[in-house]
This record gives sequence, structure tokens and C-alpha cells, in this order.
Amino acid sequence: NAGVTQTPKFQVLKTGQSMTLQCAQDMNHEYMSWYRQDPGMGLRLIHYSVGAGITDQGEVPNGYNVSRSTTEDFPLRLLSAAPSQTSVYFCASSYNREEQYFGPGTRLTVT
Amino acid sequence: RKEVEQDPGPFNVPEGATVAFNCTYSNSASQSFFWYRQDCRKEPKLLMSVYSSGNEDGRFTAQLNRASQYISLLIRDSKLSDSATYLCVVELSASKIIFGSGTRLSIRP
Repeated sequence: NAGVTQTPKFQVLKTGQSMTLQCAQDMNHEYMSWYRQDPGMGLRLIHYSVGAGITDQGEVPNGYNVSRSTTEDFPLRLLSAAPSQTSVYFCASSYNREEQYFGPGTRLTVT
Repeated sequence: RKEVEQDPGPFNVPEGATVAFNCTYSNSASQSFFWYRQDCRKEPKLLMSVYSSGNEDGRFTAQLNRASQYISLLIRDSKLSDSATYLCVVELSASKIIFGSGTRLSIRP
């Protein structure tokens, strides 16, 4: 099992550009989520999904969209990148939210 | 007041020492509690869940005090490999999972 994979590992965007961060898991988990981690702050929940076709907002959803067309994939789309979105993004999946398995993260810089 | 607060540290202790961290939370409706470990520039990994009755896993013991709204993590006989950041996690619901900003632990030989 690969677990949770994320691509790309690093990305630099210019202000106003859009892009999609990819996340996939092969553990057949229903629950998937996206977090951002900034220095001195805890991980903050952006969006989450409890199954294919079902998504909902977390604590900091503005500027991000998600979709969940399959159990395996949960991409995060930045609509119009802003410097405030410079962060490390983690995708996670879990069976019942008891234990979340995190991907290796994507380090995003917006200039 | 932050919803979940942790002492950021760093805690710098010698190998073999016992070290304890606390984490306080503000919402009494919080349902589930966890400790995660995060190594530098890596993803978080679950260390242990925290149950009302406490939880022990080898050298690690986690406790929950609902009356005072805090959870604790105790590490006995610390090893060099325990050096990491320890994240307290409090869950209110599927849409409200709060991570603390972490406590840095450094074990010296």
C-alpha cells in the first residue's frame, strides 16, 4: 500500500494563478481532509469529505475548492492564489477519524 | 483564548528522563482527543488516542481530565528518537478538528 500520496511536493505560484493539489489514498477510507500548516500555528482544516460525492467546509475554506468523485481521490483547487496561501498543505484520510493518515505534504509558495 | 493551547517549548531533557506535556482545550463539548507526533519537515503521525480512562502504550501514557479540560502526555525513559514536535488534537465534530501548535521536544545524549 502506498498510503496517502500527494503531488506536487513543492510548488511556486504567482499571485492570481490557479492550481490543483492532488491527493490519493489506497486504503479505501471514506473520510478525507485537507489541512494547511503555518509556522507557529496548528494544522487548520480547510475542507473535508465523508465519502464520494460529499464534501464540506472546515475552518478555513475561503479561496479553496474541493471535489470527491471517487473514494480514492480528493483534489484541492486554489482558485486565485494569494501570498496568504503560502503554506504547507497536508491531505489526510481515515476510516473513522480515530487515526488520520497524512500524506507527505505540499510546500506551496505564492509570490 | 485559543481553542487548544500547548506550551511550545522547546523542552530539552537528557536521555532517560521523564517528561510531561499538557494541552488545554476550551470547549467542554469536545468529544475525542489525540496526540500526534511530527518530525521536522514530515507529516504528523498518530501517537495515541486519549480515552477517559487514560491510555498507556509502552513508555507513553496519556491522560484526560474533563473537569479541568486538559490532556497530558507522559514519556518515560526518553530516547533520542523521541525528539519531535508533539501535537495535541481535539475533535468536536467532523468539521471541527483542532490541532494545537505543538510542543517541541529535544532529547540530548
